[in-house]
Amino acid sequence: QKEVEQDPGPLSVPEGAIVSLNCTYSNSAFQYFMWYRQYSRKGPELLMYTYSSGNKEDGRFTAQVDKSSKYISLFIRDSQPSDSATYLCAMSAAGADSWGKLQFGAGTQVVVTP
Amino acid sequence: ETGVTQTPRHLVMGMTNKKSLKCEQHLGHNAMYWYKQSAKKPLELMFVYNFKEQTENNSVPSRFSPECPNSSHLFLHLHTLQPEDSALYLCASSETVNTEAFFGQGTRLTVV
Repeated sequence: QKEVEQDPGPLSVPEGAIVSLNCTYSNSAFQYFMWYRQYSRKGPELLMYTYSSGNKEDGRFTAQVDKSSKYISLFIRDSQPSDSATYLCAMSAAGADSWGKLQFGAGTQVVVTP
Repeated sequence: ETGVTQTPRHLVMGMTNKKSLKCEQHLGHNAMYWYKQSAKKPLELMFVYNFKEQTENNSVPSRFSPECPNSSHLFLHLHTLQPEDSALYLCASSETVNTEAFFGQGTRLTVV
């Protein structure tokens, strides 16, 4: 069983719609949860970062963590064609070297059509 | 740009060749990482260097040999690779191993 499960998509939505992405995980020790965006032919860039449970909002992006269900989500409101990319979830346990031991999902490809 | 530069961007090599991937960061960071990204698979952490010392080797085959001569440069030396080693190899750096990592654009490696 993979530690982090993520549907690879592709997920196609019309411009202006809400994009809903999620990951499930099996390791209850995970405390740090991140979402990365990766455009074609580019490296991943950090979008959102949350610690433990709860919600975090940044502009059109909202990240949610439900540790009881081992489930994290990313919502993109008012999606734009420029949001078309692969979105990777990542997580790690608390403690030393936490960013050096990230576990990634396989990524979900999102296509926003004009 | 993220401040992490990888060269070359693309590399095709035969199974008997020896080549090296280079990563340079201009961010003053102390930790550097190599990741492997294969199609439809999660990023796999390969190596971690902290203040030039290797702190993590994630059971990587010996045909991949990292080198970190200083905190700004990281190399991945490749020899006698297999076709299944074809992937995007990503370098990243962070101020410490407990802070956000910034990724380079990767080297697309094809082993023929």
